[in-house]
Order: sequence, then structure tokens, then C-alpha cells
Amino acid sequence: DGGITQSPKYLFRKEGQNVTLSCEQNLNHDAMYWYRQDPGQGLRLIYYSQIVNDFQKGDIAEGYSVSREKKESFPLTVTSAQKNPTAFYLCASSPSPGQGHQPQHFGDGTRLSIL
Amino acid sequence: SQKIEQNSEALNIQEGKTATLTCNYTNYSPAYLQWYRQDPGRGPVFLLLIRENEKEKRKERLKVTFDTTLKQSLFHITASQPADSATYLCALASMDTGRRALTFGSGTRLQVQP
Repeated sequence: DGGITQSPKYLFRKEGQNVTLSCEQNLNHDAMYWYRQDPGQGLRLIYYSQIVNDFQKGDIAEGYSVSREKKESFPLTVTSAQKNPTAFYLCASSPSPGQGHQPQHFGDGTRLSIL
Repeated sequence: SQKIEQNSEALNIQEGKTATLTCNYTNYSPAYLQWYRQDPGRGPVFLLLIRENEKEKRKERLKVTFDTTLKQSLFHITASQPADSATYLCALASMDTGRRALTFGSGTRLQVQP
């Protein structure tokens, strides 16, 4: 079955530590996205990528970094510069980087907490 | 500033009734509006998409309306069931920002009582 796989499901970060969240898709989609969701809030866009080797900042990119070396993979690194990283992180993809005429497919998220 | 507003209070209804959820927006000219369902601890799942030149879209027990004059979308679930209990998110795609990504509302939690 095609879909998006996020790992790990739960992740703990120590102070001053960088952590990387994995996102892999086998849908052959060009566009991929990272969102952050805080309790009772909507999804906020961190970064998105329209094509391999290209990515753009979203609304809350500070303290995060991404790479897109392969079409299938879009890992997110939460750096020590992100002072409030505790949240639910969601990865999504869509067939092409359109202007919203295509649905996004989501993974089941990674919950990141501070130790 | 641009804003998408969904009712933050949970909507509680009896099984069999019609649930109506609201999505209001300001300072957007959305070309498309999408609705998603999210269960606790899971990623959102796409339900319906409606274009700016469409007034209404239906899919089984779901119906979405889009009023660009009122800047509002309504999401209806008819003959609601306890299994419909979830958080429902609306998302906009605007042609007048260069950004090729959706902007999401904060969602409304629906609770259907048996």
C-alpha cells in the first residue's frame, strides 16, 4: 500500500541536542511538507519542498532544517536553536506543487518531547 | 492579517442529526478550500475539495458549501454516527500568495452521542 511513513512515533530530546525526524513516501509525489501541531491548534507550516534538491521556508522555519536529496525522503532536523520543540510533527505530500487543487496525504506524526 | 477561523468549542450532537461546522476566513482570496478529518494521535485525512467557482460539493453523507462573498465554508455531515466523532480541519489555498502550500484552520472537534 502506498503512503507516508514517519518515524519514530515518539521522540525525546535533551537540552542542546539536535534530533532528526524521518519522513518517507512511496506515492511518487513531487511535493512534500512539514507541519507542527500544538494542542488545540491547527497545523503550522515549517518547510516545504516542491522538487528534489529544492525547499522553501514556511511560517515557522526558525530552529529547523530540512533536506530533499531523494524524491521519497524529506527529513526534518529540530536543532537546539528551537527553544520550544515539544509538539506533534506531521509530514505530508501531494502529487505536484500546485496551488491547492490537490489533496495532501499525511503520515501519522512524530510526537517530540523535551527531557 | 490573514486569518482562518473555526469554532474552537466542541460540537456535540445526537446520532442521526446533521452536524454543521463553519470555516471563516479574512484577507484571503482562496482558489480552493479543503476539508480534512483528524483522529487523536493520527495525521489528517482528506475529505473534500471545493473550488472558488463551485457553490456546493457532495460526497456520500458529506456536503461542503463555499460562499466567497461571506468568506465562509460550511461542512455538513448528515445522519451523523458516533464514528464521525473527530476533529475537522479546513484548509485554504490562495492564488494571491506565491506560496504553494495550504494554510490550515485550528479545527473543530465533533462529538456524536449515541
